[in-house]
Amino acid sequence: RKEVEQDPGPFNVPEGATVAFNCTYSNSASQSFFWYRQDCRKEPKLLMSVYSSGNEDGRFTAQLNRASQYISLLIRDSKLSDSATYLCVVIPGGSYIPTFGRGTSLIVHP
Amino acid sequence: DVKVTQSSRYLVKRTGEKVFLECVQDMDHENMFWYRQDPGLGLRLIYFSYDVKMKEKGDIPEGYSVSREKKERFSLILESASTNQTSMYLCASSLEDNQPQHFGDGTRLSIL
Repeated sequence: RKEVEQDPGPFNVPEGATVAFNCTYSNSASQSFFWYRQDCRKEPKLLMSVYSSGNEDGRFTAQLNRASQYISLLIRDSKLSDSATYLCVVIPGGSYIPTFGRGTSLIVHP
Repeated sequence: DVKVTQSSRYLVKRTGEKVFLECVQDMDHENMFWYRQDPGLGLRLIYFSYDVKMKEKGDIPEGYSVSREKKERFSLILESASTNQTSMYLCASSLEDNQPQHFGDGTRLSIL
């Protein structure tokens, strides 16, 4: 079983739609969680951290479910510019070595 | 803002050459990492370092070595380049445990 799993997609949605991605992790000792965005042929960029209580940044909402060992990313009112690959990242407690998912591809069309 | 700078965006080398990829970060981060990214395989960790002169193997260290003589600089060395090392190479740094990584722009390396 992979340590961090994501549905590769692609998720193909119209502008204005709401879309959600999940990411499951296998290490129950994981402590830190992040979502990154990666555009084609570019480097990953930190989108947001994921906190236990859930957190929101504009149109983006991240949530953590420790019992079921997954994190989620919700994007409301999708824009064309949201088209990218979204990477889930998990770090075990007391570690500095992250585990990356392979990413979920999102395509927002007019 | 954290700045991670990789020495080259694009690089073309020949089989058997010794190749140096340089990475510099300006935020006094403790941890530095080298990854390669290939289509369908995601990010794979080659080596990492948690302090000056310290280095640890990642998941795919074969054919690579690293050097960290100064805190801000982490170099990746391909001892004898081979065509299967053609890839996108990404350097990252993080402040300390459990903190997110910040990436450089990446180096697209082609070995002919």
